[in-house]
Amino acid sequence: KQEVTQIPAALSVPEGENLVLNCSFTDSAIYNLQWFRQDPGKGLTSLLLIQSSQREQTSGRLNASLDKSSGRSTLYIAASQPGDSATYLCAVSQAGTALIFGKGTTLSVSS
Amino acid sequence: EPEVTQTPSHQVTQMGQEVILRCVPISNHLYFYWYRQILGQKVEFLVSFYNNEISEKSEIFDDQFSVERPDGSNFTLKIRSTKLEDSAMYFCASRSDRTGNTIYFGEGSWLTVV
Repeated sequence: KQEVTQIPAALSVPEGENLVLNCSFTDSAIYNLQWFRQDPGKGLTSLLLIQSSQREQTSGRLNASLDKSSGRSTLYIAASQPGDSATYLCAVSQAGTALIFGKGTTLSVSS
Repeated sequence: EPEVTQTPSHQVTQMGQEVILRCVPISNHLYFYWYRQILGQKVEFLVSFYNNEISEKSEIFDDQFSVERPDGSNFTLKIRSTKLEDSAMYFCASRSDRTGNTIYFGEGSWLTVV
């Protein structure tokens, strides 16, 4: 059964720092991996989608990498800002259509 | 940007009552989903829906749950007889194809069962 784990569970950094969020999954047979942002009490906003054949995707200050064979993905956030404070969720899609989520990393960026 | 809309944003209901949560997926999308998130827990898959039928469902989606697409735009989740443990945020989502593209989530419906 696929399990998705995110480390760390929480992270506090000062504004301007570069940071890395980690996601690992137990079964490498995935179709794609998606990173989401969730603000408190709100829905999920898709940040980046990486297909299983891809190694990385970039959007602005965000860069996500995927190493399918080792079951790992990282989300790199450059020059963090207070507005980046949120919970970041990693989710994988397998043979079916259901996304399997990690519990998330809650990021706090102080000014 | 097109978005998935959900109503109500928050509902409080008594245990044993029926609840219907409504969603309007993005108009050209073909795959529709319900997920839920119990406070402090992971987002969990409930059910996926394609071509007017359930294509996949989780163990959570038991006989108390049902989904329907009553017209060309709405997608509903019904909980027949709510239990305390059904209290959660329920997210609707849609996608244009089966797995290749981004999945878009609504803002959620927060259900509190008392």
